[in-house]
Amino acid sequence: NAGVTQTPKFQVLKTGQSMTLQCAQDMNHEYMSWYRQDPGMGLRLIHYSVGAGITDQGEVPNGYNVSRSTTEDFPLRLLSAAPSQTSVYFCASSYSMGGETQYFGPGTRLLVL
Amino acid sequence: SQQGEEDPQALSIQEGENATMNCSYKTSINNLQWYRQNSGRGLVHLILIRSNEREKHSGRLRVTLDTSKKSSSLLITASRAADTASYFCATDRAFGNEKLTFGTGTRLTIIP
Repeated sequence: NAGVTQTPKFQVLKTGQSMTLQCAQDMNHEYMSWYRQDPGMGLRLIHYSVGAGITDQGEVPNGYNVSRSTTEDFPLRLLSAAPSQTSVYFCASSYSMGGETQYFGPGTRLLVL
Repeated sequence: SQQGEEDPQALSIQEGENATMNCSYKTSINNLQWYRQNSGRGLVHLILIRSNEREKHSGRLRVTLDTSKKSSSLLITASRAADTASYFCATDRAFGNEKLTFGTGTRLTIIP
């Protein structure tokens, strides 16, 4: 049981480049979410999904896209990277939204030059 | 916007002492959770307390919840060097969207 996995662990992008951060879970969780963590800001919700085919915006969705074609995978796409997107990104999953333990991946550290 | 706010932002204590950190939030909640994050790692769930509970224990952890004051505290007894980490509270709001909202965290350092 791998839990929540994220790839890559570290990425450097140039401004304007696009990329996809991968997230997968093997716990059959319906709820998956993406957060970004910046110094002094805690974790902020980017996008979330309550099941395959269903996604919604979180607190800071601008510049990011998501899709959920399977229960297991929830990729996060940066359309045109900006220096303001330099951050650590965490994917999390749980059985349902709210009132449940969230299981976090190890994170992806992204640097946009 | 942040729902929860931890206090203090940073805390250093001697090994063996107790550590207490607090979380305040703004709106009514269904549940409050505490998470730990070791440096460079993802968050790990510690404990969940529901809005109708006042206190909960798990090993060396004790969590209290005061819904009238919209606050919670996390007590770690007999601290160990391995407890050095950042601690976050997270709440899901009552009435409507139950998305989890995290506070800004308390950085705990245990001095051996």
